[in-house]
Amino acid sequence: QVQLVESGGGVAQPGGSLRLSCAASGFSFSRYSMHWVRQAPGKGLEWVTFISDHGKQKYYADSVKGRFTISRDNSKNTLYLQMSGLRPEDSAVYYCVPNPGVETYYFDYWGQGTLVTVSS
Amino acid sequence: QSALTQPASVSGSPGQSITISCTGTSSDIGGYNYVSWYQQHPGRAPKLMIYDVSNRPSGISSRFSGSKSGNTASLTISGLQAEDESDFYCSSYTAINTWVFGGGTKLTVL
Repeated sequence: QVQLVESGGGVAQPGGSLRLSCAASGFSFSRYSMHWVRQAPGKGLEWVTFISDHGKQKYYADSVKGRFTISRDNSKNTLYLQMSGLRPEDSAVYYCVPNPGVETYYFDYWGQGTLVTVSS
Repeated sequence: QSALTQPASVSGSPGQSITISCTGTSSDIGGYNYVSWYQQHPGRAPKLMIYDVSNRPSGISSRFSGSKSGNTASLTISGLQAEDESDFYCSSYTAINTWVFGGGTKLTVL
């Protein structure tokens, strides 16, 4: 079955950096586009970024553009999110979510997420 | 990339029906049939309930249904049950190759 294990979360200082990873299994990772979606404590869901199956297309929410970089290593079935210039408002649980297929635009499998806290 | 607009809370008694609205623009909800809905219980990951406006994934009860008119999508839950009490989020694909969520609606079963 589909498994998504996010890691790399923790505490970072404002202006600092963190790299999140998402180890995927149970599906052909290299055939699927991927997203990061986040949820601040007690708040709603926010889409963060998308990467196509081979990494050529990348899209970002305005709130993270220029600060976050999505990437993937299909040989390792792993998705990454490099976060820099962190702000307190980036504090959230970060989920990696597969895009179900071509011409699909929803999120059907979610991991348990990894918590990022930005605080001095 | 403004969030879609949902009511902060809705409530209903067991057995009743409720509807949660989700309002966007012609650049998201109004422009595409790519609205989806998610249920989230406290401390749990979101769960897909409806995709492409009105389609239910396998295993989702027929008590959940979705629709769209213009720039507004709706989720209707019929025959409310205690276990339906949770948060619900709508989402849409947008014209600039991004996705947007609603602010979330807390459903209370009285």
